[in-house]
Amino acid sequence: QQQVRQSPQSLTVWEGGTTVLTCSYEDSTFNYFPWYQQFPGEGPALLISILSVSDKKEDGRFTTFFNKREKKLSLHIIDSQPGDSATYFCAARDNTGNYKYVFGAGTRLKVIA
Amino acid sequence: EAAVTQSPRSKVAVTGGKVTLSCHQTNNHDYMYWYRQDTGHGLRLIHYSYVADSTEKGDIPDGYKASRPSQENFSLILELASLSQTAVYFCASSAQGGNERLFFGHGTKLSVL
Repeated sequence: QQQVRQSPQSLTVWEGGTTVLTCSYEDSTFNYFPWYQQFPGEGPALLISILSVSDKKEDGRFTTFFNKREKKLSLHIIDSQPGDSATYFCAARDNTGNYKYVFGAGTRLKVIA
Repeated sequence: EAAVTQSPRSKVAVTGGKVTLSCHQTNNHDYMYWYRQDTGHGLRLIHYSYVADSTEKGDIPDGYKASRPSQENFSLILELASLSQTAVYFCASSAQGGNERLFFGHGTKLSVL
């Protein structure tokens, strides 16, 4: 079964620090990787995404990196803020024409002032 | 902003009873999805649909049925609720089945006793 492994399970960082979340996968047909952010009591919302033809995508303080050879991706948050405290999910979708995303288990981030 | 509304927000059901979770979207999206969220498992796809009156099985369909009577509405039905179906359920919609962002509802917390 297709899987996406996400680490760490939880993470605490100081305000102003850099947060790094990672995901790995095995299925070579995966070609699209979104990251979703979920606040308590809410549904996940798209944060940033990257296609396998790229190795980096940046959106403000959030940057996602993709390493096709190692089958890994990461999310970097610079100048982390308490408002970034949430659960972050990486996901993957393959290029076989189905409509399904595979989600990682999530990383619970806490940013303390 | 796209809107996905789930009802109820929470529900307590008895083992063996029938449960229906409802989802309504005003996005004019063709694709709708039901996900289940459990701690440590992230989001797992139960059923999805890309056109009214048709549903498809996701990765964990056993014990669940789905109904898509119209483009706007998508229901998840548990005919015989079991303890193992205690979870948070999310409905989502997307414009297409491609690399389109998923718009999630706020979730339904289901407790089966």
